[in-house]
Amino acid sequence: AQTIHQWPVAEIKAVGSPLSLGCTIKGKSSPNLYWYWQATGGTLQQLFYSITVGQVESVVQLNLSASRPKDDQFILSTEKLLLSHSGFYLCAWSRTVSGNTLYFGEGSRLIVV
Amino acid sequence: SQLAEENSWALSVHEGESVTVNCSYKTSITALQWYRQKSGKGPAQLILIRSNEREKRNGRLRATLDTSSQSSSLSITATRCEDTAVYFCATPHAGAKLTFGGGTRLTVRP
Repeated sequence: AQTIHQWPVAEIKAVGSPLSLGCTIKGKSSPNLYWYWQATGGTLQQLFYSITVGQVESVVQLNLSASRPKDDQFILSTEKLLLSHSGFYLCAWSRTVSGNTLYFGEGSRLIVV
Repeated sequence: SQLAEENSWALSVHEGESVTVNCSYKTSITALQWYRQKSGKGPAQLILIRSNEREKRNGRLRATLDTSSQSSSLSITATRCEDTAVYFCATPHAGAKLTFGGGTRLTVRP
């Protein structure tokens, strides 16, 4: 069975500090990977997706970047956090890119102060 | 404006009652998905209904799709307290994009 693990579970960071969030998928080779952001009480906004190692497509620019260093790993990062980066970050995977089911991780909650 | 939107921000029912969440979307789609997100958790898909299907069931859940009016509904029968969650509809778009609606917050009271 496939499992998806996100880390850290939660962070409180200062404005201007760097951030790195991670996501690992086990049990599925060559998954399509996604990062979503969710403000408190809000909808899910897709940030990035990746079809293969080393290839990441940006959907929304929020002064964030993403990388896929390994087939099973997806990293979200920024060098300087803004207050607006606060929220819930969700990693997800799917078997194909064309409207298929997304399987989400448990999320990483970020508070920027 | 969003490409997919649920029509109610919040609904509240008593346990055992039925409830329907509605969704409207703005573009032609190949399929529509319904997700449920419990507090502090990632969303989980409930039903995927394709454009050539009018209805799809999953246990106590029933989804309908009307491509002529670009709308969908998700009905839950015999609700339970554990159905309390936010329900999202989501539609696929070009570039591996899955767009979520704003969500409907459902509260099931004992």
